[in-house]
Amino acid sequence: GAVVSQHPSRVICKSGTSVKIECRSLDFQATTMFWYRQFPKQSLMLMATSNEGSKATYEQGVEKDKFLINHASLTLSTLTVTSAHPEDSSFYICSAGGRRLNTEAFFGQGTRLTVV
Amino acid sequence: KNEVEQSPQNLTAQEGEFITINCSYSVGISALHWLQQHPGGGIVSLFMLSSGKKKHGRLIATINIQEKHSSLHITASHPRDSAVYICALQRAGGGADGLTFGKGTHLIIQP
Repeated sequence: GAVVSQHPSRVICKSGTSVKIECRSLDFQATTMFWYRQFPKQSLMLMATSNEGSKATYEQGVEKDKFLINHASLTLSTLTVTSAHPEDSSFYICSAGGRRLNTEAFFGQGTRLTVV
Repeated sequence: KNEVEQSPQNLTAQEGEFITINCSYSVGISALHWLQQHPGGGIVSLFMLSSGKKKHGRLIATINIQEKHSSLHITASHPRDSAVYICALQRAGGGADGLTFGKGTHLIIQP
């Protein structure tokens, strides 16, 4: 099946710094990718929909200036957590597929972010 | 009330047992996904269903659109099946294209 690669898998950063997470579709073109966040013992929550060549669509309550999404090509979407705070520590995961491809959803490996 | 409810939240069983995980939802959907999340966090898609039943190896997924209910079954369970199983909805119509997730069922299969 299709492969989505996410990098890095784990990152520790200091408060106030920015962290970039990459999500690549390796064997298909993804005009749309999704970014999710999962806090411990909670369900995954959609943060934003990343659209190639246009602005991302953010879910209610997600700050677009804090979580910058860039989808400059059909195979790469990036999520940058700007001015990170300890409360941003979470598991971030991207996916592609689903309705837009009329296929199952394919997930990246996820990124565990710890802000100290 | 959550749009998607899974039961049970936690399940511990012995190797070889037949496992059933249930998912009920309250919104219109175009498809329902069953996902497997491993302890490290990685997620694997098991099934995408819009009607009927699908089978892959020891895994079987069914959905009843009228009753807004889906089940995931594992036959001849094995310790390597231990994971969190998540039901996720692909909503019908407009709105977010991303999935809406249940809280997951934490399954432990003991040898």
